[in-house]
Amino acid sequence: KNEVEQSPQNLTAQEGEFITINCSYSVGISALHWLQQHPGGGIVSLFMLSSGKKKHGRLIATINIQEKHSSLHITASHPRDSAVYICAAPYGGSQGNLIFGKGTKLSVKP
Amino acid sequence: GAVVSQHPSRVICKSGTSVKIECRSLDFQATTMFWYRQFPKQSLMLMATSNEGSKATYEQGVEKDKFLINHASLTLSTLTVTSAHPEDSSFYICSAIAAAGETQYFGPGTRLLVL
Repeated sequence: KNEVEQSPQNLTAQEGEFITINCSYSVGISALHWLQQHPGGGIVSLFMLSSGKKKHGRLIATINIQEKHSSLHITASHPRDSAVYICAAPYGGSQGNLIFGKGTKLSVKP
Repeated sequence: GAVVSQHPSRVICKSGTSVKIECRSLDFQATTMFWYRQFPKQSLMLMATSNEGSKATYEQGVEKDKFLINHASLTLSTLTVTSAHPEDSSFYICSAIAAAGETQYFGPGTRLLVL
């Protein structure tokens, strides 16, 4: 069983819809990453958060440490948001030692 | 925001040859760089952690003599895949941090195809 689980695996939405991607983890962590991977493979770090909520533009990430759950929300989704969204949790005391979720493939239709 | 670059973005090589991939932090000094690889339809997996001026720490199952890592400066780490084989074909991604606890910035990745 993967220690970082994401849902859904695939998500298709219409432009303008509110998107929620969920991440649950079973490891004890100090912070959780949300990453965006475009079709070409390149990865962009969206958020690193250890508590509460962070917002950047139309993206909002929340985390509940007690429940070991995090969500990534996209407001007013746009086709350019189409990508794979990955949550990752560090383990073993090393910041780079990340357990990655399998990703959520988001497709936003115009 | 901070930028991490990788070169080349894509490389095709013959089996048995060596390939060098560069990872650069463009606007900050990276005390630590990480190398990951991603096989098709699989999650990213950490290969090794590279600290400037010291030997890299490899994850279990990653051959240090096959995947040579050099972090000679605070802005450059290189990964050399020696005697590449088709099963080394993968997407290699580096990331960098300025200091422990700070944001981790990922490179755009290098797609390696070994024929």
